[in-house]
Amino acid sequence: GQQVMQIPQYQHVQEGEDFTTYCNSSTTLSNIQWYKQRPGGHPVFLIQLVKSGEVKKQKRLTFQFGEAKKNSSLHITATQTTDVGTYFCAGHAGNMLTFGGGTRLMVKP
Amino acid sequence: DGGITQSPKYLFRKEGQNVTLSCEQNLNHDAMYWYRQDPGQGLRLIYYSQIVNDFQKGDIAEGYSVSREKKESFPLTVTSAQKNPTAFYLCASSTSVDFYEQYFGPGTRLTVT
Repeated sequence: GQQVMQIPQYQHVQEGEDFTTYCNSSTTLSNIQWYKQRPGGHPVFLIQLVKSGEVKKQKRLTFQFGEAKKNSSLHITATQTTDVGTYFCAGHAGNMLTFGGGTRLMVKP
Repeated sequence: DGGITQSPKYLFRKEGQNVTLSCEQNLNHDAMYWYRQDPGQGLRLIYYSQIVNDFQKGDIAEGYSVSREKKESFPLTVTSAQKNPTAFYLCASSTSVDFYEQYFGPGTRLTVT
C-alpha cells in the first residue's frame, strides 16, 4: 500500500534558527496536506498543495510540492517557541489520505 | 460553534471490557474517520465512512467496530479483541474523502489496565 515517510523524526533547534521537515511518498500523490499538532492537542490543517512544483508561503512557513508529486517539504524561517509541535504531511493517492509519521519540533528559547 | 466533539477526554477501562468512544460533528460533512495515535507516532487509520450507513476498514481495523446511523455521529467501539487498546484516539471529518482537509476532534485518551 501507499507509504508516506517523514524525516527527521525529531528536531531540536535554538529559537531563531531555521527548520525543515521532508516528506516522501512511495506513490505519486494527487495532493499533499500539512498539519500541525501542538503538544497534548489534535492535528490542525495548515495548507494543501496540488500542483507539481507548487510553492506556498504562510508568514514564516514555506511549503513545497515536488515536481514529480512524490515529495514535499515544510521550511520554517527563524523559529519561535510558538512553533513547537509535531508537523505531519499527508498525501492523497486515490481517494484516501495517508499520514506521514510526523516531525516533532522542539525550540529552545 | 461548528466543530467536532469527542467524549470523554480521558477514559479508563479494565481489560476484557468493550468501550465506545463518541464522535459528533455539526459541520455537515459526509466523511468521518477514526485514527489511533501512539506516543511519538503518526496517525493510523482505523475506520472511515464516506456516507451514512456505509463504512470501510482502514489499516488497523482488527479489534474495533463502528457504526454510521446518522450523518453527525460516528462512534467507535474498542472491543476486548483489541490486543493493545491503550492509545490516543482521534476522530476527524471532511466534506468528502477526496482532496478535502480533515477537521479533527480533541481526542480521547483511552487507558486499559
